[in-house]
Amino acid sequence: GAVVSQHPSWVICKSGTSVKIECRSLDFQATTMFWYRQFPKQSLMLMATSNEGSKATYEQGVEKDKFLINHASLTLSTLTVTSAHPEDSSFYICSVSHNTDTQYFGPGTRLTVL
Amino acid sequence: AQSVTQPDIHITVSEGASLELRCNYSYGATPYLFWYVQSPGQGLQLLLKYFSGDTLVQGIKGFEAEFKRSQSSFNLRKPSVHWSDAAEYFCAVGGDFNKFYFGSGTKLNVKP
Repeated sequence: GAVVSQHPSWVICKSGTSVKIECRSLDFQATTMFWYRQFPKQSLMLMATSNEGSKATYEQGVEKDKFLINHASLTLSTLTVTSAHPEDSSFYICSVSHNTDTQYFGPGTRLTVL
Repeated sequence: AQSVTQPDIHITVSEGASLELRCNYSYGATPYLFWYVQSPGQGLQLLLKYFSGDTLVQGIKGFEAEFKRSQSSFNLRKPSVHWSDAAEYFCAVGGDFNKFYFGSGTKLNVKP
């Protein structure tokens, strides 16, 4: 399967600051990446679909101005949590779509906002 | 609308015992179905997937799953559980535009 990395794996920030999370597809070019959010002991919630060279598609209820997604290349998508607040603390996971049918997931980024 | 139900939140089995994790889905067309495993603080690892053909699919780590269209189910099985199988397991259905919809997960505990 595809190899996906995320950086950082863990970040702590102060309330009001912005945090950027990177998702990299290491072994193939991904035209589509996905961003998920996982609350403790809960399932993954799809936030947005990131398309290379175009605007991301956000799921209903996800604030696009709050969660900025940039997919500038076929191997990199970034999620920026702007003006983070404690309620944004969560586990953020990205995935890449390989051959359009299967998703391979990164190891996740744990964000803690103080 | 697509949805996935995993009725069991927690399951505990003894090491060496057999395992079955349940998954029911709702999807209008022929579904793409997946099982993933997540260890604490980690991302998801693909165990197996079903797209078409043989309804019994084999995956990694000795897991298998059976697609039953009449029951809208895709249950995961393993004949003999190892302590290293303790983790959380997620069932997912692939929908339009390759969006995935996940079940709420089943946490597996393995007793020595």
